[in-house]
Amino acid sequence: DGGITQSPKYLFRKEGQNVTLSCEQNLNHDAMYWYRQDPGQGLRLIYYSQIVNDFQKGDIAEGYSVSREKKESFPLTVTSAQKNPTAFYLCASSIGRVGNSPLHFGNGTRLTVT
Amino acid sequence: DQQVKQNSPSLSVQEGRISILNCDYTNSMFDYFLWYKKYPAEGPTFLISISSIKDKNEDGRFTVFLNKSAKHLSLHIVPSQPGDSAVYFCAASARNAGNMLTFGGGTRLMVKP
Repeated sequence: DGGITQSPKYLFRKEGQNVTLSCEQNLNHDAMYWYRQDPGQGLRLIYYSQIVNDFQKGDIAEGYSVSREKKESFPLTVTSAQKNPTAFYLCASSIGRVGNSPLHFGNGTRLTVT
Repeated sequence: DQQVKQNSPSLSVQEGRISILNCDYTNSMFDYFLWYKKYPAEGPTFLISISSIKDKNEDGRFTVFLNKSAKHLSLHIVPSQPGDSAVYFCAASARNAGNMLTFGGGTRLMVKP
């Protein structure tokens, strides 16, 4: 069964700590994305990657970092510099060039920072 | 500055009736529009899309209408079923912006049995 796996489903951290959210896909998709969902604000793009070892900032990249060392994996690190890290984080992928095909989403990670 | 807006945060419809979800956009360069459906604690799933060269696209019970002059699109679900109860997001992209998707804030649809 092909799909996108995000882990863990729920994550709790103390303020000031960095935390890394995992995203793995076995769809053989080239492009991968990280979105953040806040109530009433829809999905906002954090980072995206079109190809291994390449990634670009989205609309709200400040306080986040990513890596794309393998085609299947696109981990997101929420750093202590992110002012409001508590949110629902969604990873997605798409076949081919960014934006030319619908996104496939994982089931998300809810991060709570206290 | 929200380029894609869903002005109704929620909508309640009786089972069997039509559900109409609306979406407005401001960027005239948007040329590809999509609707996603999201259940709680799950990721959104793609529902239906429409290119700006069309004004209607139909897939089973779901039809998307695009009015370019009004910068407005709508999703019609007929007949509505209780399993359609979810949050619906519209999204838009523009080729000159790298085709990145801009999402609306979502509309929660509740279909009552």
